[in-house]
Amino acid sequence: AQSVAQPEDQVNVAEGNPLTVKCTYSVSGNPYLFWYVQYPNRGLQFLLKYITGDNLVKGSYGFEAEFNKSQTSFHLKKPSALVSDSALYFCAVRGNYGGSQGNLIFGKGTKLSVKP
Amino acid sequence: DGGITQSPKYLFRKEGQNVTLSCEQNLNHDAMYWYRQDPGQGLRLIYYSQIVNDFQKGDIAEGYSVSREKKESFPLTVTSAQKNPTAFYLCASSYGTGFSYEQYFGPGTRLTVT
Repeated sequence: AQSVAQPEDQVNVAEGNPLTVKCTYSVSGNPYLFWYVQYPNRGLQFLLKYITGDNLVKGSYGFEAEFNKSQTSFHLKKPSALVSDSALYFCAVRGNYGGSQGNLIFGKGTKLSVKP
Repeated sequence: DGGITQSPKYLFRKEGQNVTLSCEQNLNHDAMYWYRQDPGQGLRLIYYSQIVNDFQKGDIAEGYSVSREKKESFPLTVTSAQKNPTAFYLCASSYGTGFSYEQYFGPGTRLTVT
């Protein structure tokens, strides 16, 4: 089955500390992976994507993500968290067969809370 | 939220009434999507359209209908047949449906049905 798992409902980090938001995926073939951020009562904003190439992908607002094929993971990272990074983060994978082919399959989201 | 607009931001309806949510984009994107977001459930795909005058059902299409008469517009109608319509609805678009294309989202419409 094609799926995305975000194992943590919430991640708490102190401002200035590094942050990691975890994502694992299950899809046959080459994965196409995406991270989005959602602020309260707003739409989703695209952060970054992995299509092919370098396993470390850099995106918007200082975020980066590391693709690990053997662990089927695509964790989102930032070296130094800001209070303004507090939001809901979604990982997504592009489905590549059946009724989900070409469509994004989203995880349930991880709420990031950065305290001053 | 880019060049995608959704209106209204908040919508209240009585049970048994149909309601139409607007989605317009000026990004010249071919593909458009409707998602439903419920707390703790992520996003679920309702309908999508790859081209004008064509659309396909997503994972939870029952009780919803769409049209795509113009490239810029993809309205969603929540019918009285939808058993639990109260949710946050998000419209998105992408340049194409190729695997590498990211989707861009509108600001959403929060629908409350009582």
